[in-house]
Amino acid sequence: EAGVVQSPRYKIIEKKQPVAFWCNPISGHNTLYWYLQNLGQGPELLIRYENEEAVDDSQLPKDRFSAERLKGVDSTLKIQPAELGDSAVYLCASSFSAGAGNEQFFGPGTRLTVL
Amino acid sequence: AQSVTQLDSHVSVSEGTPVLLRCNYSSSYSPSLFWYVQHPNKGLQLLLKYTSAATLVKGINGFEAEFKKSETSFHLTKPSAHMSDAAEYFCVVSDLPTGFQKLVFGTGTRLLVSP
Repeated sequence: EAGVVQSPRYKIIEKKQPVAFWCNPISGHNTLYWYLQNLGQGPELLIRYENEEAVDDSQLPKDRFSAERLKGVDSTLKIQPAELGDSAVYLCASSFSAGAGNEQFFGPGTRLTVL
Repeated sequence: AQSVTQLDSHVSVSEGTPVLLRCNYSSSYSPSLFWYVQHPNKGLQLLLKYTSAATLVKGINGFEAEFKKSETSFHLTKPSAHMSDAAEYFCVVSDLPTGFQKLVFGTGTRLLVSP
């Protein structure tokens, strides 16, 4: 069974440029998460989707970050414009649902470097 | 709010010797606790989880952890380290005050295994 797929794996951009990350969750998983992992830190939740609805985006910096999950499957996270401080690893995870006992499965992440 | 503290940023062991990675948690509710492992360029993988059943939890690859409520600890152990265990380990707490399993990660412990 395929795991969570993310692309690209690495991205280098100049500051003020836009960037987008793509995630394909495990088939049948209704809940999708985007996490931010800064160097030397644990992941922090940015946004959670239940099917196509963003049900928890309180940690998403809405001035420059946006996300969508059209049709409740794949998801895209966008930054526009990127800043130097956005350099980090962006992780996508999915689970069957968000309730207790539902394991979150993580993708390998996209490592973003902003120059 | 729930949180975890990983007491060591780095732990170095020799192959074949025991591993101890320490974690203390804080939670207003009866927590679920997890250990995840992150190998370079790979996604986070669940090692084991505690969800109010047996206090001694066995996971994959010979790891186990013991939930001690009186000490608010959830330390990860393995009797004999293998070279392939070298990775970053995250202690994670979750509670369900709103019915949603939100994961809160510690800052991680890097395990170094020498021959």
